[in-house]
Amino acid sequence: QKEVEQNSGPLSVPEGAIASLNCTYSDRGSQSFFWYRQYSGKSPELIMSIYSNGDKEDGRFTAQLNKASQYVSLLIRDSQPSDSATYLCAVTGNQFYFGTGTSLTVIP
Amino acid sequence: NAGVMQNPRHLVRRRGQEARLRCSPMKGHSHVYWYRQLPEEGLKFMVYLQKENIIDESGMPKERFSAEFPKEGPSILRIQQVVRGDSAAYFCASSPSNRVYGYTFGSGTRLTVV
Repeated sequence: QKEVEQNSGPLSVPEGAIASLNCTYSDRGSQSFFWYRQYSGKSPELIMSIYSNGDKEDGRFTAQLNKASQYVSLLIRDSQPSDSATYLCAVTGNQFYFGTGTSLTVIP
Repeated sequence: NAGVMQNPRHLVRRRGQEARLRCSPMKGHSHVYWYRQLPEEGLKFMVYLQKENIIDESGMPKERFSAEFPKEGPSILRIQQVVRGDSAAYFCASSPSNRVYGYTFGSGTRLTVV
């Protein structure tokens, strides 16, 4: 079992829609959770962090954490073509584990 | 305040040569992490270093790969006798303390072995 699992996609949404990205993790002791955005050929960029159950909003982005169910999600409201990228979920345990990423395409 | 600096951006090596990848962490960051990303795959942890110490090298291949973070100068990831399977993007990240906080990544070194 992988430490962090994400659907690889691709996920396509029309411009202006809500994009929903999901991630599950295996280590119940994980304390910190992150979402990174990676454009093709570029390095990952931290966009959201969340440490406690519930929702955390930052602009058009909302991260949701449910430790009992061991999942983290990222909602992107009013999706823009510039949001087209691969989104990586990361979870801290003994190491900093990354999922393989979900490819998102926002269609104009 | 410069970010994490990696060089070179692109590196081409012939099979059997050595590759040396360099990483200078952000100012004030004393923790350095190296990751490898193969095409269509996720980021794989390789090694975690602080100044003059290797803290966790559980992701490093047992042979040909080594890393250091000297008291002065950048962190170095060294790959000896490279093979085609070493072709990947190598990212360095730094943080001010332990892994609780999100990392800041450098722009990466794309290694191509021909």
